[in-house]
Amino acid sequence: GAVVSQHPSWVICKSGTSVKIECRSLDFQATTMFWYRQFPKQSLMLMATSNEGSKATYEQGVEKDKFLINHASLTLSTLTVTSAHPEDSSFYICSAILREGRQPQHFGDGTRLSIL
Amino acid sequence: KNQVEQSPQSLIILEGKNCTLQCNYTVSPFSNLRWYKQDTGRGPVSLTIMTFSENTKSNGRYTATLDADTKQSSLHITASQLSDSASYICVFLGGGGADGLTFGKGTHLIIQP
Repeated sequence: GAVVSQHPSWVICKSGTSVKIECRSLDFQATTMFWYRQFPKQSLMLMATSNEGSKATYEQGVEKDKFLINHASLTLSTLTVTSAHPEDSSFYICSAILREGRQPQHFGDGTRLSIL
Repeated sequence: KNQVEQSPQSLIILEGKNCTLQCNYTVSPFSNLRWYKQDTGRGPVSLTIMTFSENTKSNGRYTATLDADTKQSSLHITASQLSDSASYICVFLGGGGADGLTFGKGTHLIIQP
C-alpha cells in the first residue's frame, strides 16, 4: 500500500541550529503534502500545506520564516526549522494525499525534535 | 463551530478485556470518518473508514460505529492485547481547514497485563 516516509525520526540538537525534516511519498505522487505539529496528548495541528512547485500555504500563527517548506518534487517535501529554540521541541508529522483527490490521506511516522 | 470531542481522555484496562471509545462530533457536513491508532512516537495509522451513510465497519478486533442522529461514533476493541496500548483518534474529512480534516484529541489507551 501507499507509504509516507519521514526522516529523521528523532533529532536532538542545540538551540540556534536549523533542522531539516524530509517527507517522502514512496509509491505514489503527491502534489499536496501537509505538515503537522503535535504536543503530548494533543491532536495534530496543521501548520502548513505544501504544494509541489509553488509556495507553501501557512496556517494562521505559523511563522513562515521560521518553518521553511520546500516541495521540489512530486515525492518530496521538506520542513526546515530555522534557528530552533527549546519551544520548537515537538513531534512533527507530515501527510500526503493521492494526486487525484483527498483519499486516502497517509501519515508519516513523525519526527521528534528536541532542542537543548 | 466544527468540533470533535473524544472520551475518555485516558483508559486503562486489563489484557483480554473489551473497551469502547467514544467520539462526539458537530462536524457537518462530512464525507467520511476515520479512526486512527497512534503508537507513542509514531504517526497515525488508519484502522477504519466510514462514509456518513454507513453505520458500522469492522477491521479484525476493531469495530467502529456511527450514529448520525446522535452525532456519535464509537470504536470497540475486542479481546484487547498489550499491543493495543496507543492513542486512538477520530478524524473527520470535512469541516476542517486546508487539509479538510477535523481531528479529535484522542483517547490514550493502556492495556495492562
